Amino acid sequence: GENVEQHPSTLSVQEGDSAVIKCTYSDSASNYFPWYKQELGKGPQLIIDIRSNVGEKKDQRIAVTLNKTAKHFSLHITETQPEDSAVYFCAASRSGQAGTALIFGKGTTLSVSS
Amino acid sequence: DAGVTQSPTHLIKTRGQHVTLRCSPISGHKSVSWYQQVLGQGPQFIFQYYEKEERGRGNFPDRFSARQFPNYSSELNVNALLLGDSALYLCASSVDGVGEQYFGPGTRLTVT
Repeated sequence: GENVEQHPSTLSVQEGDSAVIKCTYSDSASNYFPWYKQELGKGPQLIIDIRSNVGEKKDQRIAVTLNKTAKHFSLHITETQPEDSAVYFCAASRSGQAGTALIFGKGTTLSVSS
Repeated sequence: DAGVTQSPTHLIKTRGQHVTLRCSPISGHKSVSWYQQVLGQGPQFIFQYYEKEERGRGNFPDRFSARQFPNYSSELNVNALLLGDSALYLCASSVDGVGEQYFGPGTRLTVT
């Protein structure tokens, strides 16, 4: 089955710096890669996603890149702000296949200090 | 529009008891998935339901069961609770189970 590895497990940056979180996946049939942000005491919030027919997607300060050949995808946050501090999870799945689960990485705790 | 709602928010049970957790999806969404999140880990898939039918099941014992109702809300049942069942139980809503999934706030279950 699918396995998703996520690095680093913790990341500390200064406000205004960029943050990059990387994930690798094992199932070449995976074609949907969402990123979630989870704040303390809350459920995961979908912040951006990318499908395998696209190499990069941007939404304001966040972007995701996908390298299908190497089976890895990354989350990039620019101009970080203290409110970006949270746990970020990457996930992979075979979108379009009924009953397919999201397989999550173990998470990255991002701390942005002002 | 209301997001995914789950009840209760917190629950404390004793080993051997059973528990029922509830979820209401986003209006217009017909699929609900359940995930278990142990502290410090990513969510793990338990079940997916679409139009009241089970579409997928993760690697969980038969003590875990679920169902979906005609209004698309769902229940997760866990029997013979073990200490290891202590976790945050998350419900995710999607239009049809194959697209974007949106999570609720979760139910924190503590088994003592």
